[in-house]
Amino acid sequence: DAKTTQPTSMDCAEGRAANLPCNHSTISGNEYVYWYRQIHSQGPQYIIHGLKNNETNEMASLIITEDRKSSTLILPHATLRDTAVYYCIVRVINSGGYQKVTFGTGTKLQVIP
Amino acid sequence: DGGITQSPKYLFRKEGQNVTLSCEQNLNHDAMYWYRQDPGQGLRLIYYSQIVNDFQKGDIAEGYSVSREKKESFPLTVTSAQKNPTAFYLCASSISREGEQYFGPGTRLTVT
Repeated sequence: DAKTTQPTSMDCAEGRAANLPCNHSTISGNEYVYWYRQIHSQGPQYIIHGLKNNETNEMASLIITEDRKSSTLILPHATLRDTAVYYCIVRVINSGGYQKVTFGTGTKLQVIP
Repeated sequence: DGGITQSPKYLFRKEGQNVTLSCEQNLNHDAMYWYRQDPGQGLRLIYYSQIVNDFQKGDIAEGYSVSREKKESFPLTVTSAQKNPTAFYLCASSISREGEQYFGPGTRLTVT
């Protein structure tokens, strides 16, 4: 399985952009990069995903490097409610056609007033 | 409202008892998943199901069992064989194996 590495924690000032990096150097050509976040004691929430091109939605932007070995999730104007653990994952489909998703320990983002 | 429900939110059991955690979705999703999360750790996949009447073991299936008799339901039984059952259990679903997963609110199981 392709694995991801993320910093354990990050701080961001409220109202500023939060840039969360993720390394996925062993990613395969047909694997997507997904981002989720988990607020304490709740289920993870899907944020965004992409394959090669940069993506943007109402929550965030995803920047994927040209070699696809790393990506950055950007929260353009962080608020206190964005304080959460952010998971970067890649998708694996095994020979049986079933999906396997591996969640690491993520990045704990603390938004500071 | 469409979504995934897990019940109960908190569950307490005595050691040696089997316990079943409920997961229901009304999103018409084909795929459903069970994860376990321990303090300070990521999610680990227990079981997943791509279609009704079919399911596959994940990374840590030992001591757990599931069924998928209906599209909207994917209950997880934590058996007495599970050595460390106390954890936060999360159910998820996706429209297909490629789709993004939507998670329920989780059930926190405590076994003493």
